[in-house]
Amino acid sequence: QSVLTQPPSVSGAPRQRVTISCSGSSSNIRNNAVNWYQQLPGKAPKLLIYYDDLLPSGVSDRFSGSKSGTSASLAISGLQSEDEGDYYCASWDDRLNGVVFGGGTKLTVL
Amino acid sequence: EVQLVESGGGLVQPGRSLRLSCAASGFTFDDYAMHWVRRTPGKGLEWVSGIDWNSGGTGYADSVKGRFTISRDNVKNSLYLQMNSLSAEDTALYYCAKANRRTVGANPFDYWGQGTLVTVSS
Repeated sequence: QSVLTQPPSVSGAPRQRVTISCSGSSSNIRNNAVNWYQQLPGKAPKLLIYYDDLLPSGVSDRFSGSKSGTSASLAISGLQSEDEGDYYCASWDDRLNGVVFGGGTKLTVL
Repeated sequence: EVQLVESGGGLVQPGRSLRLSCAASGFTFDDYAMHWVRRTPGKGLEWVSGIDWNSGGTGYADSVKGRFTISRDNVKNSLYLQMNSLSAEDTALYYCAKANRRTVGANPFDYWGQGTLVTVSS
């Protein structure tokens, strides 16, 4: 049972837009930044969004992040087959005094 | 180019110990906090431990507290994880990750290694 809650899977057709939610609490998402990671099959995780809504250099602007209260979201527009993989949200938890991850969401491009 | 190369994984019996290493290059190692994160088939990514730039602060997941010890050598540009009293639940691919700030906290991991596999089994 992960501290941050994500849907196990989402899917969409090419060129469509999908969103992945990440639900937490006041001890993590409300008071701390959310970061998103992408893990493609057989690859190491990659930073996708940081400090809630910032895009690292080199990451496509098809990816965007937002946060409101105790929830955060990752949006992916213009879906492409190479986006298939696992997506994780993460934040700092003040009560646990450590980093917490969501359980991960598997993205399938139909 | 930032590179993080983990080593030290392998097959180990329950109750035994293992020490993981991470060799860093391509950045000023002692300017950044470093972390260990593991991926298990059933649970996805799990943060294991983190250490500040000067070893002044460390943090551990509850699941490893008291059994694992993180350390770093800023002269050798290396990160370590001493894992004791291993159990099957510790079986995972262990990643070394660089933070974008000096301290362990709500800061993102901007570079990751390829991981080293630890299998705990009799």
